[in-house]
Amino acid sequence: DQQVKQNSPSLSVQEGRISILNCDYTNSMFDYFLWYKKYPAEGPTFLISISSIKDKNEDGRFTVFLNKSAKHLSLHIVPSQPGDSAVYFCAARRYNQGGKLIFGQGTELSVKP
Amino acid sequence: NAGVTQTPKFQVLKTGQSMTLQCAQDMNHNSMYWYRQDPGMGLRLIYYSASEGTTDKGEVPNGYNVSRLNKREFSLRLESAAPSQTSVYFCASSESNTGELFFGEGSRLTVL
Repeated sequence: DQQVKQNSPSLSVQEGRISILNCDYTNSMFDYFLWYKKYPAEGPTFLISISSIKDKNEDGRFTVFLNKSAKHLSLHIVPSQPGDSAVYFCAARRYNQGGKLIFGQGTELSVKP
Repeated sequence: NAGVTQTPKFQVLKTGQSMTLQCAQDMNHNSMYWYRQDPGMGLRLIYYSASEGTTDKGEVPNGYNVSRLNKREFSLRLESAAPSQTSVYFCASSESNTGELFFGEGSRLTVL
């Protein structure tokens, strides 16, 4: 039972354009959502997060949107840069569960110059 | 600042052999975790330690044991390796009650 799903295994975007990565979840008990970025042969690194009491969080070029009624979140990268090419994982956690995260399958983003 | 350090980075085992993956963090974090990453499945939690002296099972604990040796170190042991344990293993640490994990570079394990 995949509680966190990223249905697009890959995404290709032109440099300077917007990248939109999507994530769906099924468990209504999730209260905190995160995005991690992973380069080949490296561990994932934390990118941005959002609490379930918010619908948007912004950090520079990265914005995460949360639609609780649809159980959907998205990561927007504007403008996209070639260095953003990586695998992006969506993750979720229930209240007070610390780092016990449920991860999606990942989406490989390729930003072409 | 090294962050989270895992050893070994690569290992090949035969079915039935045992091995221990070592992990150490230098960020004075209370919580440590072991995840595995398999193609098409994202990362799944094997075991975690909320604080020194405590350990608990995650989503996929079968076939593994862990030891929280001290605040810095958290090891993962495979007593009798199976081909299904072929995976990339990531150790992570965090401050308590945050999902912002700091990951090591990973250990790629192949069981033949």
